[in-house]
Amino acid sequence: NAGVTQTPKFQVLKTGQSMTLQCAQDMNHEYMSWYRQDPGMGLRLIHYSVGAGITDQGEVPNGYNVSRSTTEDFPLRLLSAAPSQTSVYFCASSPGTVYYNEQFFGPGTRLTVL
Amino acid sequence: AQSVTQPDIHITVSEGASLELRCNYSYGATPYLFWYVQSPGQGLQLLLKYFSGDTLVQGIKGFEAEFKRSQSSFNLRKPSVHWSDAAEYFCAVDPPRNQFYFGTGTSLTVIP
Repeated sequence: NAGVTQTPKFQVLKTGQSMTLQCAQDMNHEYMSWYRQDPGMGLRLIHYSVGAGITDQGEVPNGYNVSRSTTEDFPLRLLSAAPSQTSVYFCASSPGTVYYNEQFFGPGTRLTVL
Repeated sequence: AQSVTQPDIHITVSEGASLELRCNYSYGATPYLFWYVQSPGQGLQLLLKYFSGDTLVQGIKGFEAEFKRSQSSFNLRKPSVHWSDAAEYFCAVDPPRNQFYFGTGTSLTVIP
């Protein structure tokens, strides 16, 4: 198992550009989520999904879109990047949504918006 | 609203000394509780978790944590710190709805 994979590892964008951060997991997990990590603020939930075709907003969803067409993939889209979106982004997955489960994290994507 | 507080932004300990990292949460009921560790440039690795039952839980790498309902706390401890324990430590709660809320983290420095 590769676990949770994220691409790219690093990305530099200009203000206004769009891009998609990729996240995939090969553990057949129902639940997937995206976090951003900023200095002194810990990790904050952006969007999450409890299964294919179902997504919902987390704590800081503005400026980000997600979709979940398959169990394996959960891409995060930035439609018009802003400097405030400079951050490290982590994708995570969890086996289920009903019972308590730990989340497994990917290695992260470091995004800089100029 | 749910919140997680890690009051210590940075802690420095000598190798071989004991360690305690503090975590307090604010939630109406007992959430599911987690401690994660993040080495520089890496993702997060689960150290331990508490769901119910025995309030003292054992984790990997010699870490343990104690849940105290009366204090809404879930402090992480290790009896003897190793240089390889230098990292950032995050406490997290799940209300539970699989929507994790993380503390701001405690950075641990270990001096020889």
